[in-house]
Amino acid sequence: NAGVMQNPRHLVRRRGQEARLRCSPMKGHSHVYWYRQLPEEGLKFMVYLQKENIIDESGMPKERFSAEFPKEGPSILRIQQVVRGDSAAYFCASSPSPRDRPIEAFFGQGTRLTVV
Amino acid sequence: AQSVTQPDIHITVSEGASLELRCNYSYGATPYLFWYVQSPGQGLQLLLKYFSGDTLVQGIKGFEAEFKRSQSSFNLRKPSVHWSDAAEYFCAVGPPYNAGNNRKLIWGLGTSLGVNP
Repeated sequence: NAGVMQNPRHLVRRRGQEARLRCSPMKGHSHVYWYRQLPEEGLKFMVYLQKENIIDESGMPKERFSAEFPKEGPSILRIQQVVRGDSAAYFCASSPSPRDRPIEAFFGQGTRLTVV
Repeated sequence: AQSVTQPDIHITVSEGASLELRCNYSYGATPYLFWYVQSPGQGLQLLLKYFSGDTLVQGIKGFEAEFKRSQSSFNLRKPSVHWSDAAEYFCAVGPPYNAGNNRKLIWGLGTSLGVNP
C-alpha cells in the first residue's frame, strides 16, 4: 500500500513563474490537507479538501495560491507568479473520511520549492 | 488562542541516554495529540498519537508519550536513545472528531535532537 506520494520532490522556479505541486493520497483516502513549512518555522495549515470540494481554506494566502482535488487524479497546489517568500517545503497529508473516527493524517515526503 | 509550545529548540544527548522532549498546548477543548519525526530532507512520520483512554501511549521506535491534562502537556520520552534518532521532532494537536469541518493540526516549532556517539 503506497503512502502519500508528492511530486516533484524538489522544484526550482524563477520569480514570476507558476509552481504546481502534486499529491496523490493513500489508497482509500478521500481527504487531503496541505501544509507549508517555512525555514525555521513549524508547519502551517493551508487547505483541507475532499474530492471536488474545498472544505477549509482558511490558511491559504488570499492571492496567487489555489488548490484542487478533482474527481480523478491527484490534488494540485498551484502557486502563480511565485516570489522568493514562497520558498518552503510543502507537505501534503491524507486521511480517510473523518466522519466517524479521529483524524490521523499520513504525510508525504514534501515538495521543496525554491524560488530564485 | 490555539498554540503548541516546544520549549527546547535543540537538545543533544549521548547515545544510550534517556530523552524527554517537552510539549505544551493551549486549546479550547481536549485535543487529539500527536508526535511526528522528520529526518533531514524527509517527510513527517507519525511516532504516536493520543485520542483517549490510557494517558501513556506507546509509539514506534521505542518512543512513548504521556498526556497530562492538568498540565496541558504531552511529553515524548525514550529510555535509551540511538544515533539514528537524530532528527527534528514535532508535537501537533488537532480537533476531536466531532469538531465539524475543522481538521487542521496546530504545530509546535519543533525540537532538533542531536545524538553524540
